[in-house]
Amino acid sequence: GAVVSQHPSWVICKSGTSVKIECRSLDFQATTMFWYRQFPKQSLMLMATSNEGSKATYEQGVEKDKFLINHASLTLSTLTVTSAHPEDSSFYICSAVNVGVNYGYTFGSGTRLTVV
Amino acid sequence: TQLLEQSPQFLSIQEGENLTVYCNSSSVFSSLQWYRQEPGEGPVLLVTVVTGGEVKKLKRLTFQFGDARKDSSLHITAAQPGDTGLYLCAGARNQGGKLIFGQGTELSVKP
Repeated sequence: GAVVSQHPSWVICKSGTSVKIECRSLDFQATTMFWYRQFPKQSLMLMATSNEGSKATYEQGVEKDKFLINHASLTLSTLTVTSAHPEDSSFYICSAVNVGVNYGYTFGSGTRLTVV
Repeated sequence: TQLLEQSPQFLSIQEGENLTVYCNSSSVFSSLQWYRQEPGEGPVLLVTVVTGGEVKKLKRLTFQFGDARKDSSLHITAAQPGDTGLYLCAGARNQGGKLIFGQGTELSVKP
C-alpha cells in the first residue's frame, strides 16, 4: 500500500534555531501534500498545501515566513520551522495525495517538535 | 469557523456499550473520511464514504454518510477497551483537495 515516510519522528532544538521536517511518498508520486499541526488532545489543524513545483498555499493565520515549505520533487516536501520558539512545540504531520488510488490521502507518522 | 463539527469531543463508556459519534457541516463534501489516531502517531484511515446515504461496515463499526453529503456518523457496537483512542472525521470539498478535520472524539472504553 501507499506509504508516506516522515522524518525525523522527534526533534528537540534550541530556541532561535531552525528545524527541517521531511515528508516522502515512498511508492507513489504526490503532486500535492498537506502539512498539519496538532496540539495535545486536539485535532489536526491544516497549515498549508504543498504543491510540487509551485509555491505553497498557507491557511489563514499561518506565517509563511516562519513555516517554509518546499516541494521540489514529486516525492518530497519539506517543512522548515525557522527561528523556532517554545510555542512552536507541537506534533507536525504531513499527508500526501495519491492520485493513483482514487485520490486517497496517506499520512506520515508525525514529528514531535520540542523547542527548549 | 469550524467547517466540521464533531461530537461528542469526549466519551467514556463501559465495555459492551454502544456509542455514536457525529460529524456535521453546513457544507457539502465530495468525500468524508474517518480516522483513528494513537498518541504520537499519524492518523490511520478507517473508511472513506463518497455517496450520499452510503453505509459501510467494518466489523463492529458502522459508518454512514448523510443523503446530502453534509454529515456522517460512526457507530460502534459492543465497545471494547481496544477501541480506546482518538477518532477523527475529515472532509474534502473536492477530490484530492484540502482535507479538513473535525475536533475529534477522545473515546475511553473501560473494562
